Amino acid sequence: DIQMTQSPSSLSASVGDRVTITCQASQDISNYLNWYQQKPGKAPKLLIYDASNLETGVPSRFSGSGSGTDFTFTISSLQPEDIATYYCQQYDNLPPPIFTFGPGTKVDIK
Amino acid sequence: QVQLVQSGAEVKKPGSSVKVSCKASGGTFSSYAISWVRQAPGQGLEWMGGIIPIFGTANYAQKFQGRVTITADESTSTAYMELSSLRSEDTAVYYCAGGGLSQTKGAYYYYYMDVWGKGTTVTVSS
Repeated sequence: DIQMTQSPSSLSASVGDRVTITCQASQDISNYLNWYQQKPGKAPKLLIYDASNLETGVPSRFSGSGSGTDFTFTISSLQPEDIATYYCQQYDNLPPPIFTFGPGTKVDIK
Repeated sequence: QVQLVQSGAEVKKPGSSVKVSCKASGGTFSSYAISWVRQAPGQGLEWMGGIIPIFGTANYAQKFQGRVTITADESTSTAYMELSSLRSEDTAVYYCAGGGLSQTKGAYYYYYMDVWGKGTTVTVSS
């Protein structure tokens, strides 16, 4: 099974800061990697799919990059409404797929 | 876009089963795959399995094989997740989530979950 790790597990940053989260897969997953945002008490929300594609309606301050085993998620200018936990998720691109989530990164305001 | 409405909170005894429903509205149920994802209190997200309703066959995460059954009823646009042999560690919020289907060379794929239900709290307690 493919294992996903994320770092850091939590971070505190100021409004306007650039925030970067990394996600690593235990083996090559090409670009089969999505990013979700989950605010407290709410369902997750898809932000980025296929490593770098911004979901429709998601602000452009969110971005993703990477391929293979190493991926990065960036918030270019942290806003108060970005307080949430962010999860990476890999899929194995098979019909049907198996999905695996990373452990999550909690982001709050300093 | 489709919306997913889940059934209400459940309280169950250890050893029993729970069945959670997820009804789709406002879109084409047959163009989606439905996954079930759970989140224990204070913990992360865990994918349990998924189903493509037009085929009716489900696949499951290895951890849940033999204990979870995911089904779908196209006539009512409803997906179901049944978890058996409940234990306290199954206390969690259970989400259904939809992902659009794409077809390549006769096979159906889905790559992410872009529509989510609000979640159903299942509490397992004696």
